[in-house]
Amino acid sequence: AQKVTQAQTEISVVEKEDVTLDCVYETRDTTYYLFWYKQPPSGELVFLIRRNSFDEQNEISGRYSWNFQKSTSSFNFTITASQVVDSAVYFCALSEAGNSGNTPLVFGKGTRLSVIA
Amino acid sequence: EAGVTQFPSHSVIEKGQTVTLRCDPISGHDNLYWYRRVMGKEIKFLLHFVKESKQDESGMPNNRFLAERTGGTYSTLKVQPAELEDSGVYFCASSQDYIQGRHFGEGSWLTVV
Repeated sequence: AQKVTQAQTEISVVEKEDVTLDCVYETRDTTYYLFWYKQPPSGELVFLIRRNSFDEQNEISGRYSWNFQKSTSSFNFTITASQVVDSAVYFCALSEAGNSGNTPLVFGKGTRLSVIA
Repeated sequence: EAGVTQFPSHSVIEKGQTVTLRCDPISGHDNLYWYRRVMGKEIKFLLHFVKESKQDESGMPNNRFLAERTGGTYSTLKVQPAELEDSGVYFCASSQDYIQGRHFGEGSWLTVV
């Protein structure tokens, strides 16, 4: 069965601090996809990244970086030099490669990040 | 290209009433998904269309929910009769292939009072 755990319910940091959001997943499939989304106060879901299980290379996009570790089933997200605009709820999600296409996304419960000026 | 659009963005209805949510996927996307997040819980899958056919509706909570996608274009999700626990945000997503997850709508916020 698929499961995504985001143990941090809420995090508060002061602007310019670095912050890491944790994501641990469970799956029996060898082929799967991991995602991160941002849900700002306006409510929409903003896609941030998708990684497949065969690509463990870490990724950096501006102030955002992702650390994918299959050995620990983790896909952590780090924001460097946080800004107030980073304040949002962040969701980690998992989808397995099924026989007829990827399975529906399974989301973690989300981590609410508050960046204080 | 235009993104996934959802209507209405916000809706407040009384318990027992009916609400219909609409999703317009990105043009050319055969796959359309509905998800919802209720009462601050995690986002959960409702169902998946491939064109006009329901590929997977295992997440539909009960028979008060009816989803359609006539003609394989836009989709509607009707809640009838609405209950208090249906309050939340309903997201629609679409994809051209089976590797979904990139394109979500802005959500339809439903409040049942």
